[in-house]
Amino acid sequence: QSALTQPASVSGSPGQSITISCTGTSSDVGGYDYVSWYQQHPGKAPKLMISDVSNRPSGISNRFSGSKSGNTASLTISGLQAEDEADYYCSSYTSSSTLYVFGTGTKVTVL
Amino acid sequence: QLQLQESGPGLVKPSETLSLTCSVSGGSISSTSYYWGWIRQPPGKGLEWIGSMYYSGNTHYSPSLKSRVTIFVDTSQNHFSLRLSSVTAADTAVYYCASLYCSGGRCHLDYWGQGTLVTVSS
Repeated sequence: QSALTQPASVSGSPGQSITISCTGTSSDVGGYDYVSWYQQHPGKAPKLMISDVSNRPSGISNRFSGSKSGNTASLTISGLQAEDEADYYCSSYTSSSTLYVFGTGTKVTVL
Repeated sequence: QLQLQESGPGLVKPSETLSLTCSVSGGSISSTSYYWGWIRQPPGKGLEWIGSMYYSGNTHYSPSLKSRVTIFVDTSQNHFSLRLSSVTAADTAVYYCASLYCSGGRCHLDYWGQGTLVTVSS
């Protein structure tokens, strides 16, 4: 089971929108609506930002949104803020023996 | 709301076995909606799924670690544990435990422990 593919880095200016992609296969991202996104600040545990493709947990800003098309999922951050600078990981349920898989991670920089 | 807390040695010698426990509070480890998982993150690197266990005993392991990993649940103590044998320096990482909620058309890691750094060194 290979990791899901994400761009290594994405950057944007305050107020702009950015999108992070997450590419898998029909065995994971494309086969199930179980893609999640996690935000991780340095030295901290990951935090669930989006679950099951597009659901925002309670307390998560509506500036964060998720979507999926085929084998690729996307996380969009609108109205970029300095506090959004962090690492972001996608993840998905997989039909392989491992059950779950993470993406390679994307570092978001606010210019 | 679940709370998870990892515990265990922060230093393990090469070739020995790494053992960590994750204590679960705020809910039952026998819940039919949850798998109990371990994730690790080597310094400066990304998240790696190690594996998980359902309360009934069903396990799923990463193929790259499967020969060395055991995850087990203790329902009487409401905790689950990780054992990783024959460790090397490459196993040095922050180890997280997490709850994987899979029910009702949803499946995601909803709660995480704070993480514990395990260093493999003589």
